[in-house]
Parts: sequence; structure tokens; C-alpha cells
Amino acid sequence: AQSVTQLGSHVSVSEGALVLLRCNYSSSVPPYLFWYVQYPNQGLQLLLKYTTGATLVKGINGFEAEFKKSETSFHLTKPSAHMSDAAEYFCAVSTTGGFKTIFGAGTRLFVKA
Amino acid sequence: EAGVVQSPRYKIIEKKQPVAFWCNPISGHNTLYWYRQNLGQGPELLIRYENEEAVDDSQLPKDRFSAERLKGVDSTLKIQPAELGDSAVYLCASRISGGGTDTQYFGPGTRLTVL
Repeated sequence: AQSVTQLGSHVSVSEGALVLLRCNYSSSVPPYLFWYVQYPNQGLQLLLKYTTGATLVKGINGFEAEFKKSETSFHLTKPSAHMSDAAEYFCAVSTTGGFKTIFGAGTRLFVKA
Repeated sequence: EAGVVQSPRYKIIEKKQPVAFWCNPISGHNTLYWYRQNLGQGPELLIRYENEEAVDDSQLPKDRFSAERLKGVDSTLKIQPAELGDSAVYLCASRISGGGTDTQYFGPGTRLTVL
């Protein structure tokens, strides 16, 4: 069975600081991995995804994530936080070509001026 | 391209009342999902449709929840009767089946409050 663990339900950073949101997954087969962002009162929007190939994946809004099989991790980073990055971020895993996706509990990112 | 449309955006009802949510997926997307998102949690799958067929409804509480996608396009999720614990955001998502694509596109959700 697949599962996703997001470390830290809340993360607070200063504007301009590095953003690091942690995600570990469990899967018995090669996974597809996703990061989604959710702004208040909106649905989820795909930030980036890993399916196969290059393990460093670049997404929208300057975010990137690296798939590390040995660590079963897919952490999300951004070099410099912006106020507009404040939102809820969800890591997700799928092993069925993306048809069935398991979401983590989410990490709320706060950005301080 | 229009996104996934859901209505209503907000609904407040008293317990034991029925409620229905509607979703219109992105044109051409034959896979449709309904998720429930409890406060402070990630989305949890309720049901997945491939065209008009429900191919995964193992997490749908069938004693009170029902869903349909009669023509393989838009879909309705119903709760009857609603309970206090049903208060959540109900998200609809869609994707194209096959072709190697794997991205789900989400609607804005319906926030249900059961009093």
C-alpha cells in the first residue's frame, strides 16, 4: 500500500528565505510523485510531478523537488520565499499511472515580511 | 480552456437533510474523481469514474452517499441524510485517460457545513 508523510503541519519562513517542505513516501513499486498547492477557498493546483527520468524536477513559481529513491523522499524547495507563496502544500503518490493518488495531510506555509 | 466547474461553492444544511453537489469536468476528460477534504487534511478519494462507469467506489459510504455520471460528462454527488461528520470540502477533479498523462485538474470545491 502507498502512503505519504509530510513532516510538519506548519512551516514559517521569512520573505526571501529558503523554503523546504518535506515529504516521504512509501511504495512497493516505482511511484509517481506530485506536489500540489492550495490557496484559500480554491482547489488544488499542480506544482510539479515526477514520473520517470530526471530526478530533479522543476515546477511552476520557482519550485523544484528532488526524487531520492534511497531516502524515499520528495522534498519541495524554493530558493527565495515570496509572500504569495503562503498556502497549503500537498505531497501525493501514485503507483497506478496517476489514476489513484494518495495525498499527504498537507503543510501550511507561512511567509513573514 | 475552462477548468473544472463545481456548484454550489458553499452549502449549509441541517443534519438529516439531503444535499447534492454538481461537477462539470474539463471537456474531453473521461476520468472524473470525487474527493472529500476534511479540515486540516489532504483529499481522500470517494469515487472514480471512467466515462460513465464507477471503477473505484471502495471509499464511498454507500449507506448515505451516492453518485452518478449518466452521460459520462458531468456528475452529481449526493448525501442523504447528511450527518454532522459530513462537514468538509468536496472536491471534483478530472483527467484524460491514457496517452501517458497523469495530471488531475481540480475544481474549487464545495464547502459543506452540516449543523
